[in-house]
Amino acid sequence: EADIYQTPRYLVIGTGKKITLECSQTMGHDKMYWYQQDPGMELHLIHYSYGVNSTEKGDLSSESTVSRIRTEHFPLTLESARPSHTSQYLCASRYGSNEKLFFGSGTQLSVL
Amino acid sequence: ILNVEQSPQSLHVQEGDSTNFTCSFPSSNFYALHWYRWETAKSPEALFVMTLNGDEKKKGRISATLNTKEGYSYLYIKGSQPEDSATYLCAFLNQAGTALIFGKGTTLSVSS
Repeated sequence: EADIYQTPRYLVIGTGKKITLECSQTMGHDKMYWYQQDPGMELHLIHYSYGVNSTEKGDLSSESTVSRIRTEHFPLTLESARPSHTSQYLCASRYGSNEKLFFGSGTQLSVL
Repeated sequence: ILNVEQSPQSLHVQEGDSTNFTCSFPSSNFYALHWYRWETAKSPEALFVMTLNGDEKKKGRISATLNTKEGYSYLYIKGSQPEDSATYLCAFLNQAGTALIFGKGTTLSVSS
């Protein structure tokens, strides 16, 4: 059973609102990731972190930002949501370079 | 940009059938190849992490092989059951090791 949690599970919000997607893990993993998936498409990496105070952008450009102030917490923020941000966002973590990923349950974001 | 290709995109089989899927990835700078199973309304879960050319891994009725020189991996399911219905994702990690690059997945549907 994976100990990685994402909230909210679903979010419907209006254009221009600021939102934060929460991701927490209790496994002490140093590496954390945010993936974005549109229907029928692959998971695209948008942000990753190798530890506290370390954040990097992934392969897919995103207007979102992340922070890693604590090992267990890796929130993603959109300052001003737009309909183009409608997507599924998956958080994941792992320990070390050759270990499997543990995924959260995802957040399905709809921006109207 | 690294591409990970999976085929077929979707597959429908009868209970008891055996089946296999393909994952193609860049053969240069290989570090690891992961397989995940993603059931509807659940989080993706790791099946295998494979690192060595010629690796074969098995978990119950599911097995996988790896050819790093030619850049492909096969996932086999023997005697498919309805509970095997899911999307199967493969993901490639190169030696730079930033993060896993995912394919679009193969969606398997098993009818009883």
